[in-house]
Amino acid sequence: SQKIEQNSEALNIQEGKTATLTCNYTNYSPAYLQWYRQDPGRGPVFLLLIRENEKEKRKERLKVTFDTTLKQSLFHITASQPADSATYLCALDFGTGGSYIPTFGRGTSLIVHP
Amino acid sequence: NAGVTQTPKFQVLKTGQSMTLQCAQDMNHEYMSWYRQDPGMGLRLIHYSVGAGITDQGEVPNGYNVSRSTTEDFPLRLLSAAPSQTSVYFCASSYSPYEQYFGPGTRLTVT
Repeated sequence: SQKIEQNSEALNIQEGKTATLTCNYTNYSPAYLQWYRQDPGRGPVFLLLIRENEKEKRKERLKVTFDTTLKQSLFHITASQPADSATYLCALDFGTGGSYIPTFGRGTSLIVHP
Repeated sequence: NAGVTQTPKFQVLKTGQSMTLQCAQDMNHEYMSWYRQDPGMGLRLIHYSVGAGITDQGEVPNGYNVSRSTTEDFPLRLLSAAPSQTSVYFCASSYSPYEQYFGPGTRLTVT
């Protein structure tokens, strides 16, 4: 069955450094991959989408890469700030035949220390 | 725009009771979805809709019903609440299957 893996351990980094989060998947070739941010007690917020034919996508301090050979996406936050502290979720489409079955990873918590 | 709204914010039910979680969006989105989020389990899709009158099951549909009579509203019904349905429920909407806007969530406890 399809599986998404995100590091369950929190990532602790110092302010100003680059944070890198990983999303690995198995047994499928998704057409796209998304990253969301979730703050405690709130719903997820969409950040970036990258398609299978794109290697890299950027938005302000955020960068996402998508390696379909390694079955891995990396999510980078440059010049990180304490306000970037949150849980980051990746999501893939595991639908077949045109159906829409988004599957989310469990998320990785990022803690940016001042 | 209010975005995606959910009511109630909190709810406590006894086993066997039924209730409806409300979800509404004012962005004219065709796609709407219901998820539940449990500690250590991530978000799991319950039901989704690609437009008014069209619904389909997600990963964990048992014990839940949905209907989509209008573009704006997508209520989730718990038929006979069970303790296993204690969770945080999120509604989401979007123009396409991607880039979903999530509501603030409903925290449900079933005793």
